[in-house]
Amino acid sequence: GQSLEQPSEVTAVEGAIVQINCTYQTSGFYGLSWYQQHDGGAPTFLSYNALDGLEETGRFSSFLSRSDSYGYLLLQELQMKDSASYFCAVRAGGFKTIFGAGTRLFVKA
Amino acid sequence: EAQVTQNPRYLITVTGKKLTVTCSQNMNHEYMSWYRQDPGLGLRQIYYSMNVEVTDKGDVPEGYKVSRKEKRNFPLILESPSPNQTSLYFCASSSRGTGVGELFFGEGSRLTVL
Repeated sequence: GQSLEQPSEVTAVEGAIVQINCTYQTSGFYGLSWYQQHDGGAPTFLSYNALDGLEETGRFSSFLSRSDSYGYLLLQELQMKDSASYFCAVRAGGFKTIFGAGTRLFVKA
Repeated sequence: EAQVTQNPRYLITVTGKKLTVTCSQNMNHEYMSWYRQDPGLGLRQIYYSMNVEVTDKGDVPEGYKVSRKEKRNFPLILESPSPNQTSLYFCASSSRGTGVGELFFGEGSRLTVL
């Protein structure tokens, strides 16, 4: 079957750097996306990697290795407002989008 | 303002009573899709549509129907709702040009089926 694996929870302190990993097994692969979701809110897009390498957007970076079926989201200079759930998602064959179960990030003062 | 609008936001209904959750986007996006979100399971795709009159099943299509008669609208229909369809539902859209890598989500519709 198709699946994405990511840690269920990560805890870090304010100002630190945290990395959220995602490994995937899908039929077809066109790209890996990351989304942030605060409690009670809708997912919002953070980044998308279609090719291997690192994409940087402000404090957030995302990495993809297609040969390893692996990617990660890197959050730098953590702030309290970064406490949220983070989902990786693969755009797989047939235009399906498959999401991981999500990683709950707790940022402590 | 670019947005995806879902209605209703909250709904309590009873088993077997047909209901429709509407979804509309104002960004001229080709791609639209529906997801349900349950605790510990992330978002699971129900149906998606690449364009008008083109729809296909996602991973959990049983018990749902969709239609895409206009580019901006993609309603989700539950013909005979059951309690296991109690969930938080999200509609999302994307332009074809981004390769559906960037999804824009509606605010969600929380459905309870008694």
